[in-house]
Amino acid sequence: GAGVSQSPSNKVTEKGKDVELRCDPISGHTALYWYRQSLGQGLEFLIYFQGNSAPDKSGLPSDRFSAERTGGSVSTLTIQRTQQEDSAVYLCASNKGQGNYGYTFGSGTRLTVV
Amino acid sequence: GENVEQHPSTLSVQEGDSAVIKCTYSDSASNYFPWYKQELGKRPQLIIDIRSNVGEKKDQRIAVTLNKTAKHFSLHITETQPEDSAVYFCAVAGGTSYGKLTFGQGTILTVHP
Repeated sequence: GAGVSQSPSNKVTEKGKDVELRCDPISGHTALYWYRQSLGQGLEFLIYFQGNSAPDKSGLPSDRFSAERTGGSVSTLTIQRTQQEDSAVYLCASNKGQGNYGYTFGSGTRLTVV
Repeated sequence: GENVEQHPSTLSVQEGDSAVIKCTYSDSASNYFPWYKQELGKRPQLIIDIRSNVGEKKDQRIAVTLNKTAKHFSLHITETQPEDSAVYFCAVAGGTSYGKLTFGQGTILTVHP
């Protein structure tokens, strides 16, 4: 596609429920990144996929967070048993990887846990 | 892992003045240094970037300077305009972090007309 597409754009969920956030990267981009931005804060790295390599999960804050990337394209970030502190904007970015740093960000998913 | 510190956290200037934001980083092997502008409710947008083999890069009113020895880089905005008001983030990639960006904490820039 022309840009990085994320869905849904907004999600309100009850505490304790599971949520899935989707990211569709730019066609041909082998690297995909998830970041989290809490209100008024910077961007916190969560997870990074590069081609067929094992993902770098070093930024996932707890075992309630997981992500997968199917077929080297679309990625899903899953948050289980959501907590109020999970409320944030979840941003996805992609690039061509292998040192090609032209990151393109999606518009994000604003998650609100009530 | 990489650690990025950004200063100041807020910056207020008069229209036409210059603004400077500075970032320091910890991994001497890092080799890519972008700056992002984020307007309220919008995604971060790349405004300028520099690689480690270059000391300075300019694009109209915006410039970035890099001091690899001291491990810091700065964003310079000249002739500021009200539409420059936004949150600016520095970031670092390469080195032991390889492809992932590590961001600074952000600077809220306000340009008063």
